[in-house]
Amino acid sequence: DTAVSQTPKYLVTQMGNDKSIKCEQNLGHDTMYWYKQDSKKFLKIMFSYNNKELIINETVPNRFSPKSPDKAHLNLHINSLELGDSAVYFCASSHGTGLAKNIQYFGAGTRLSVL
Amino acid sequence: GENVEQHPSTLSVQEGDSAVIKCTYSDSASNYFPWYKQELGKRPQLIIDIRSNVGEKKDQRIAVTLNKTAKHFSLHITETQPEDSAVYFCAAILTGNQFYFGTGTSLTVIP
Repeated sequence: DTAVSQTPKYLVTQMGNDKSIKCEQNLGHDTMYWYKQDSKKFLKIMFSYNNKELIINETVPNRFSPKSPDKAHLNLHINSLELGDSAVYFCASSHGTGLAKNIQYFGAGTRLSVL
Repeated sequence: GENVEQHPSTLSVQEGDSAVIKCTYSDSASNYFPWYKQELGKRPQLIIDIRSNVGEKKDQRIAVTLNKTAKHFSLHITETQPEDSAVYFCAAILTGNQFYFGTGTSLTVIP
């Protein structure tokens, strides 16, 4: 029943590993996002997809690759994990059009710890 | 791109007092300014927003004001309660879906 769901909720892994975080929304939204929230709580946008097409790609290492198989899903794959990747990653979605187009609905977050 | 600054980074108030958080933005093309509340260990959730054609908006104990000329906007919480304790984020949105969040304000309401 959850509007924006992401899995897993916690992810603990070793440096150098490759991992994926999945995100799904059942709100019928056109736009999905990935954010990174570091230990200082700063919330920074990483990617934005609209109808499966990339529209925002902030300065993010190439090790991060989003994949959108359809407009309800936006997964985040991370290669060669580094200590600095440890953070909480939030997926979000929004309508993309109309008066409510900018209202973002966040998932519960994935806490990634790289050891 | 946009640059959003938020102050203060931490704020403590006594229960019942008011709290004010201020944000400034750099790009005059920004046209939508939401505020999100993030409780400890939870996801950010929208609490109030304002568009560039409006100067003030109020919803019960919370209000937001926007000064387009000065490029700043503020969140006002009156009669604060312990459950208002959280991290608050402002954001400015350029055309399309370019979201830029402020650095957050950790609000503590002391009972």
